[in-house]
Amino acid sequence: KQEVTQIPAALSVPEGENLVLNCSFTDSAIYNLQWFRQDPGKGLTSLLLIQSSQREQTSGRLNASLDKSSGRSTLYIAASQPGDSATYLCAVAGSARQLTFGSGTQLTVLP
Amino acid sequence: ETGVTQTPRHLVMGMTNKKSLKCEQHLGHNAMYWYKQSAKKPLELMFVYNFKEQTENNSVPSRFSPECPNSSHLFLHLHTLQPEDSALYLCASSQDRGNQPQHFGDGTRLSIL
Repeated sequence: KQEVTQIPAALSVPEGENLVLNCSFTDSAIYNLQWFRQDPGKGLTSLLLIQSSQREQTSGRLNASLDKSSGRSTLYIAASQPGDSATYLCAVAGSARQLTFGSGTQLTVLP
Repeated sequence: ETGVTQTPRHLVMGMTNKKSLKCEQHLGHNAMYWYKQSAKKPLELMFVYNFKEQTENNSVPSRFSPECPNSSHLFLHLHTLQPEDSALYLCASSQDRGNQPQHFGDGTRLSIL
């Protein structure tokens, strides 16, 4: 059974810092890996999707990497802003439809 | 504007009530999902529908009954729920041709008295 772990559970940084969120998974036979953002009282917003054959994806200030063999992914946020404050969720797809989520990292960016 | 709309946003019900949650997607997707998000726990996949056919049921108790009348609408019928069923219920949709991200609604916050 796939298990997804996210470290740290919470992170507080001053505005402008670059930061890294970590995700690890136990079964390397994955379809893809996705990073989501969740704001309080809201649903999830898809940030980046990395296919199993890819090593990284970039969108604006966000860069996600994937190392399938070691079961790890990182989400790099450059020049953090207060608006980046949210919970960031990592999810691994074992098939086209089956996502297993981590518990998330709650990020606070202080002005 | 998420493209996936869930109603109601909040629901309080007693253990003997019957209610339904509704999800509608305006994205032309053919797969829809129900997830449960409890405090301090990861999101749990409950049901998956592909082209109106249920393809996944992750050992969900029978007091939760899904219905998918067409590719744009998904319901979750609730009856005789327990206090531990209090959670945020999220609906998602995707285009089921592989490597397409799931799009989520804002959820229904359910409280069982």
